Amino acid sequence: KNQVEQSPQSLIILEGKNCTLQCNYTVSPFSNLRWYKQDTGRGPVSLTIMTFSENTKSNGRYTATLDADTKQSSLHITASQLSDSASYICVVSARSGGSYIPTFGRGTSLIVHP
Amino acid sequence: DVKVTQSSRYLVKRTGEKVFLECVQDMDHENMFWYRQDPGLGLRLIYFSYDVKMKEKGDIPEGYSVSREKKERFSLILESASTNQTSMYLCASSLPMDYGYTFGSGTRLTVV
Repeated sequence: KNQVEQSPQSLIILEGKNCTLQCNYTVSPFSNLRWYKQDTGRGPVSLTIMTFSENTKSNGRYTATLDADTKQSSLHITASQLSDSASYICVVSARSGGSYIPTFGRGTSLIVHP
Repeated sequence: DVKVTQSSRYLVKRTGEKVFLECVQDMDHENMFWYRQDPGLGLRLIYFSYDVKMKEKGDIPEGYSVSREKKERFSLILESASTNQTSMYLCASSLPMDYGYTFGSGTRLTVV
C-alpha cells in the first residue's frame, strides 16, 4: 500500500529561525513529489514539484530536496516569517497506466512565534 | 489568474438535508476531485472525474454522490446529511498528465 509519512506532526519555532520538515514515502511506481502550503481555513497551494531526476528545487525561502534512493524528501524554510505559519503537506504521485494516483501525507503544522 | 472556485466558504445544514457543494474551474482541466479533510486524517479522496459525465469512486464515497454535466463544474452531493459529514471539503482540478493540482479555498460544512 502506498504511504506518505510526515514528521514532525507539529513544530513551533521563533521568527527568523530556519526549520526542516521531513517526508518519507513508499509509493511505487514513483511519478513526482510535491509540497503544498495550507493556511488555516484555505485550500492547499503548491510550493514545489519534483520528478525522479531532480534532487533539489527552490521557491524563494523554501527549498525542497528529494532522495529517490532512500525515498525521502525534506522542505527547508529559511529565515522564517510569521506568514509561514501553516500546514505543509507532502504529496507523492504514482503512475498507474495512464492515470496518476496521489497519496497525501497528513501534514506538518508549523507555528512561527514572534 | 487561474482559479478553482467553491461556492460557499461556510455552510451549516441540518441532519437529513440534501446538500450540494459546487466547484467551478476556469482552466479547462479534464480532471476534477473532491476531498474531505479532517484533523489528524489529512486529505481523503471522495470522488473524482476524468471527463464530463464520468465519475470514479475514491477512498470514502459512502454517503456522497457527484455530478459532472459540464467540463468546468463538479458538484458533490450529500443525499442525506449526517453529523459525521461535518468536515472541510476541498475541490481540486488538474490536467491529465499530472502537472499538479489547483485547489479551491474549501467549504467548511457543519451538520447539526
